[in-house]
Amino acid sequence: AQSVTQLDSHVSVSEGTPVLLRCNYSSSYSPSLFWYVQHPNKGLQLLLKYTSAATLVKGINGFEAEFKKSETSFHLTKPSAHMSDAAEYFCVVSPSSNTGKLIFGQGTTLQVKP
Amino acid sequence: DAGVIQSPRHEVTEMGQEVTLRCKPISGHNSLFWYRQTMMRGLELLIYFNNNVPIDDSGMPEDRFSAKMPNASFSTLKIQPSEPRDSAVYFCASSLGGRQPFFGQGTRLTVV
Repeated sequence: AQSVTQLDSHVSVSEGTPVLLRCNYSSSYSPSLFWYVQHPNKGLQLLLKYTSAATLVKGINGFEAEFKKSETSFHLTKPSAHMSDAAEYFCVVSPSSNTGKLIFGQGTTLQVKP
Repeated sequence: DAGVIQSPRHEVTEMGQEVTLRCKPISGHNSLFWYRQTMMRGLELLIYFNNNVPIDDSGMPEDRFSAKMPNASFSTLKIQPSEPRDSAVYFCASSLGGRQPFFGQGTRLTVV
């Protein structure tokens, strides 16, 4: 069975410092992995996706994630946090390549302090 | 494209009443998903359709919940009768050919 575990429920950083949101996945085969962001009272927006191409994936707003099969990890990073990055972030795995069905992690709340 | 459109954005209803949530997927997409988001359980997949046919409804919590997709451009999620524990944000999403889904803005349901 496929699953994702987000290792931190809450991360707090200062504006201008690096962001690291951790995610580990479990999958019986090469998965498709995603990061989605949800701003308060908004829908979910796709940040980036990994689909077995390059292991370092670049997304929107300066975010990127690296797929590490040996560590079963897909951590999200950003070199310098902005106040507008404050939101809920979800690591997501797709258990099937032909349905678009997603399994969500529990989410990590990112707080950015001035 | 207007994206996935959900209505209403907010719904407040009394316990025991019927509630119908509506979704218009992105034109041309062939898969549609209904998710529920709560503080306690996070985001849960309730049901998904492929080419208007329900494929997996194992996430539907009870018989009080039903979903239909009469055509490629419209889907409904109905709760009858509603209960306070159904209070949540319900998201509809659509995708094409197994690619990542695009989400609507959600419907915030409050059952009092």
